[in-house]
Amino acid sequence: GAGVSQSPRYKVAKRGQDVALRCDPISGHVSLFWYQQALGQGPEFLTYFQNEAQLDKSGLPSDRFFAERPEGSVSTLKIQRTQQEDSAVYLCASSFRGLEYEQYFGPGTRLTVT
Amino acid sequence: QKEVEQNSGPLSVPEGAIASLNCTYSDRGSQSFFWYRQYSGKSPELIMSIYSNGDKEDGRFTAQLNKASQYVSLLIRDSQPSDSATYLCAVNFVANSGYALNFGKGTSLLVTP
Repeated sequence: GAGVSQSPRYKVAKRGQDVALRCDPISGHVSLFWYQQALGQGPEFLTYFQNEAQLDKSGLPSDRFFAERPEGSVSTLKIQRTQQEDSAVYLCASSFRGLEYEQYFGPGTRLTVT
Repeated sequence: QKEVEQNSGPLSVPEGAIASLNCTYSDRGSQSFFWYRQYSGKSPELIMSIYSNGDKEDGRFTAQLNKASQYVSLLIRDSQPSDSATYLCAVNFVANSGYALNFGKGTSLLVTP
């Protein structure tokens, strides 16, 4: 079946611009996670949704980062007034239920802020 | 401080040998442990999950968990050049509601023909 999809795959933004990154999880997966991965590092947790409820947003680095999943399926990660330090790969993962189940990652969106 | 520690490598093994990758974690209450493989420029791919002490085998891969020592490892038997990648250890930490999956920085594995 189809895996996790993300769009766009690549995004170049000028500093100060707003960006929106989309994630379409595996059908039927209740849980959705966003991670940020810098070069040479492991993914860092950003936020977690169970259905439409955002249960944990402790990893969001600043109030410029906002995530939503209004209908419990597709999710959008929005970054306002992008800064150069926001340049990274943004990974979305989904799992059937909660954390005790395996998470499957999408291909990621590589964001470059110039 | 929640930590997942891995040797960065590179770990170099000849084709056909056993590759041993190790990971330690700081949260004694962790319940779920995962190994991901990540090729350069690609996203992490789940290889193994393990939830209880002991060994879990899947094909050429064996995951080993020792909660008392806070240690998890991955063995790759009959290593192939296609196994060359970065291997990420991931652990859930029960603090902060337990939803966050914490990753190590990864171990780079090079399998030489």
